Amino acid sequence: QVQLMQSGAEVKKPGASVKVSCQASGYTFTDHYIHWVRQAPGQGLEWMGWINPNTGGTVYAQNFQGRVTVTRDTSIGTAYMDLSSLTSDDTAVYYCARGRDINIRWGSFDPWGQGTLVTVSS
Amino acid sequence: DIVMTQSPDSLALSLGERATINCKSSRSVLYSSNNMNYLAWYQQKPGQPPKLLIYWASIRESGVPDRFSGSGSGTDFTLTISSLQAEDVAVYFCQQYYTTLTFGGGTKVEIK
Repeated sequence: QVQLMQSGAEVKKPGASVKVSCQASGYTFTDHYIHWVRQAPGQGLEWMGWINPNTGGTVYAQNFQGRVTVTRDTSIGTAYMDLSSLTSDDTAVYYCARGRDINIRWGSFDPWGQGTLVTVSS
Repeated sequence: DIVMTQSPDSLALSLGERATINCKSSRSVLYSSNNMNYLAWYQQKPGQPPKLLIYWASIRESGVPDRFSGSGSGTDFTLTISSLQAEDVAVYFCQQYYTTLTFGGGTKVEIK
């Protein structure tokens, strides 16, 4: 079945960077966009950006421009999200999610990864 | 960005009752060229990632029980649970994908 498996929880100090991985299985990795969404504790969902795994092209939300970089390695079907200059406000669960429809950049998400908790604390 | 506003923030109903969740967008998410509403609904249970329930405003995802339905067009949308079950306790989010993706703030559904 289609699955996205994310890397484990991270604890980082303010000013550091974090890199979260998202390994896809059960489908052709290059057929569907991968999105990144975060959820602060007890809060709603915030879209961060997407990558086209076929071309490597990316689009980022304005709130994260200059701080987030999404990449992929097609040989192992894995996408990565790198967030720099971390502050306590970046403490959140970070999700990757597959675009539901083939080659559609703006669409619904299905499925989602299990989430990766990133804690930023001094 | 399009702002998505959900109401109510929470609701508590008895088992078997009808649940209605509203989502309003700050501008239309109906794409005139294909007459599709770029709106989805998700269910998130505690400690789990969101799960897609409805896309294109009214199309139920495969495997989603038929007590869940989506309706609406343009700027006003509704998610209805026709007969609330214990396993439906969750937070529900709407999402627009007409342009830069945004989500509603969520509606928490509980059993009274």
